[in-house]
Amino acid sequence: GENVEQHPSTLSVQEGDSAVIKCTYSDSASNYFPWYKQELGKRPQLIIDIRSNVGEKKDQRIAVTLNKTAKHFSLHITETQPEDSAVYFCAATSGGGADGLTFGKGTHLIIQP
Amino acid sequence: KAGVTQTPRYLIKTRGQQVTLSCSPISGHRSVSWYQQTPGQGLQFLFEYFSETQRNKGNFPGRFSGRQFSNSRSEMNVSTLELGDSALYLCASSSDGGNTIYFGEGSWLTVV
Repeated sequence: GENVEQHPSTLSVQEGDSAVIKCTYSDSASNYFPWYKQELGKRPQLIIDIRSNVGEKKDQRIAVTLNKTAKHFSLHITETQPEDSAVYFCAATSGGGADGLTFGKGTHLIIQP
Repeated sequence: KAGVTQTPRYLIKTRGQQVTLSCSPISGHRSVSWYQQTPGQGLQFLFEYFSETQRNKGNFPGRFSGRQFSNSRSEMNVSTLELGDSALYLCASSSDGGNTIYFGEGSWLTVV
């Protein structure tokens, strides 16, 4: 089955700086890679996703890049703000919601004022 | 449009008991999947239902089961509860089992 590794487990950055979270996956058949943000005590919320036919996707301060050859994808957050503090999860799947998402262990992002 | 609704939000059970959790998907969504979230294991896929049929199942023991009704609402059941079953159980829905899934707020289960 699929295995997703996520690094780092904790990331502390100064407000206004950029943050990068990296994930690797094992199943070359995986074709969908979402990122979820989870604030303390709340549900995971989809913030951005990318499909295997695209190399990069941006949405305001958030971007995701995908390298299919190396089987890794990354989340980039620019101009970080206090409200970006949360746990971020990457995930991968080859079959969509029906096959279930395989999640990374999460990255606790801390924005220092 | 209302989001994914889960009930109950919090519950405490004793070892050996069983529990049933309920999930109402986003209106129009016919696929419902369930995930377990724990500090040690993270987010793990339990199973997915579409049109009242289980299409896929994660690596969990048979004590974990579920079902889906004709109105797409879903329930999951855990029998013979163990301390290790204490977790946040998240339900997610998607349209026709598509890639994008939306999570509910979850049901916090504590087994004592």
